[in-house]
Amino acid sequence: EDQVTQSPEALRLQEGESSSLNCSYTVSGLRGLFWYRQDPGKGPEFLFTLYSAGEEKEKERLKATLTKKESFLHITAPKPEDSATYLCAVTHFGNEKLTFGTGTRLTIIP
Amino acid sequence: GAGVSQTPSNKVTEKGKYVELRCDPISGHTALYWYRQSLGQGPEFLIYFQGTGAADDSGLPNDRFFAVRPEGSVSTLKIQRTERGDSAVYLCASSGGGNQPQHFGDGTRLSIL
Repeated sequence: EDQVTQSPEALRLQEGESSSLNCSYTVSGLRGLFWYRQDPGKGPEFLFTLYSAGEEKEKERLKATLTKKESFLHITAPKPEDSATYLCAVTHFGNEKLTFGTGTRLTIIP
Repeated sequence: GAGVSQTPSNKVTEKGKYVELRCDPISGHTALYWYRQSLGQGPEFLIYFQGTGAADDSGLPNDRFFAVRPEGSVSTLKIQRTERGDSAVYLCASSGGGNQPQHFGDGTRLSIL
């Protein structure tokens, strides 16, 4: 059974203070690892898909990386509008469903 | 609209009642998914449709839960004899299939009194 563990559960940063969120996974035959952002009262918003170890994707202040055991979401010089819960999820070959972690609640203080 | 649409946005009902939750996927998306999210948790998979058929319903918790997608577009999640433990946000997502990313609606917040 696929398992996803995210850390830390919550993170408070000053505006401009860079950091990283961790997503550790156990999956037989990784098909894709997905990062989503979720604002309160909203559905998850797709950010990135990573398919193989060594792959990196960037979007504005966010960069996602992937190894064989974990993924990192690096946030550089964050702004208050980056405050949200960041969710990591995986799929494996032969299966379409996403298995999610419990998320990291990120707060950026002005 | 361009995104996944879910109605109603909120539903409050009494224990034992029947509820229907509706999902309008992104136009042209063949795959449709239902998830359930409790407070402080990530979404949990319920059921996945490819076209009109349920390709994987392994996440449905029991036989009180049922979902349909009769014309391969709109889907309805049906819950019979609701229980207080069914209270959660029910999320719908759609994708172009394969390993295309799933795009989510804003969910239906279901509260069972």
